[in-house]
Amino acid sequence: QVQLQQSGPGLVKPSQTLSLTCAISGDSVSSNIAAWTWIRQSPSRGLEWLGRTYYRSQWYNDYAVSVKSRISINPDTSKNQFSLQLNSVTPDDTAVYYCARELGNCYECWGQGTLVTVSS
Amino acid sequence: EIVLTQSPDFQSVTPKEKVTITCRASQSIGSSLHWYQQKRDQSPKLLIKHASQSISGVPSRFSGSGYGTDFTLIINSLEVEDAAVYYCHQSNSLPRTFGQGTKVEI
Repeated sequence: QVQLQQSGPGLVKPSQTLSLTCAISGDSVSSNIAAWTWIRQSPSRGLEWLGRTYYRSQWYNDYAVSVKSRISINPDTSKNQFSLQLNSVTPDDTAVYYCARELGNCYECWGQGTLVTVSS
Repeated sequence: EIVLTQSPDFQSVTPKEKVTITCRASQSIGSSLHWYQQKRDQSPKLLIKHASQSISGVPSRFSGSGYGTDFTLIINSLEVEDAAVYYCHQSNSLPRTFGQGTKVEI
């Protein structure tokens, strides 16, 4: 059974970098059939797809246009996890952040969610 | 970007009622439409994939249908534990998008 365990700070100052990690058990970040995704949820934006990383003989990334200049999603094969970095955050980035596994084009496994508040 | 519009936004129902939630896509997405249930303070949970395919462990009272731009989630004989927000999600193209959610209150 696949499980995703999120970790990272719940409070980030404006203009700083939001960093979260998603540890994978029961699957491999290097899977040839899964994609490892970050999604956030806020009252103003609802559920918002941020991006994903996946391995198909080489590593690929896709990012949402709204955050493309500020986001980085990276795999860590040594720890079987993947991370989210979002630079230059503002209060508008305040949200619950989820990691999820995309398999067969849907999200059948989610992390527990991390509330990240951007505030000084 | 494909926009998904759900209706209604809110539905107040009694146990054993039948609930119908619709999701309309701004362009044709074939059967690349999935449904999730999110209970208070929990992560979303996959209910139906590819418009109508059932998920192991999900009660059979949940069913889905549709193709192209119009999709439906039906909850037959609603139970108290079904109080939640329901979301549709499309995987036809990037960026992946979600509907705004339908809150079902019992």
